[in-house]
Amino acid sequence: DAGVIQSPRHEVTEMGQEVTLRCKPISGHNSLFWYRQTMMRGLELLIYFNNNVPIDDSGMPEDRFSAKMPNASFSTLKIQPSEPRDSAVYFCASSGQLRTPGRINTGELFFGEGSRLTVL
Amino acid sequence: QKEVEQNSGPLSVPEGAIASLNCTYSDRGSQSFFWYRQYSGKSPELIMSIYSNGDKEDGRFTAQLNKASQYVSLLIRDSQPSDSATYLCAVKGGSYIPTFGRGTSLIVHP
Repeated sequence: DAGVIQSPRHEVTEMGQEVTLRCKPISGHNSLFWYRQTMMRGLELLIYFNNNVPIDDSGMPEDRFSAKMPNASFSTLKIQPSEPRDSAVYFCASSGQLRTPGRINTGELFFGEGSRLTVL
Repeated sequence: QKEVEQNSGPLSVPEGAIASLNCTYSDRGSQSFFWYRQYSGKSPELIMSIYSNGDKEDGRFTAQLNKASQYVSLLIRDSQPSDSATYLCAVKGGSYIPTFGRGTSLIVHP
């Protein structure tokens, strides 16, 4: 059973270039999260989609960042133009809606392997 | 601002000892609590979840929750060098968005 799939695993680019990160969530999961992780700031939520709709994008740093989820099996995070301070590991995670008696959507996240971005 | 606080460590314990990792949170409405393990260069993976006060045991791992004190902990018994990793505490309230702590680095030395 495939987990969350992210691409590319590594990206090195020059300042000013456009970067597109891709994510395929686990089939059947209806929540998708984009996180950024750095040593200084830890794991930061960038944006959260539910049923392909952006619900919370308050973590998106600025207009240079945009994210889309055109369907249930694909999402992109785009940075344009990229800057050296954007260097980080970007994780995509998905979560499913579990209808266990007494508990709905327990909130466990399944992470992809991450995309390590270096902006020179 | 919902906050989840963890001691960054590193916490160093000898092999075979009990490692105790702690986490406090600010949102009293929090309902779900998670511990993720992250090896260096890898992604976080869920190891424990707990939803009600008390202890929950799974193998060598025990999660403890005290909602009155807004405190959740993870105990690792018989620590092994393979347990060396960063442990992230995550807390979820009424929304679907968990808030993560910065993590505690655990080093288990032979």
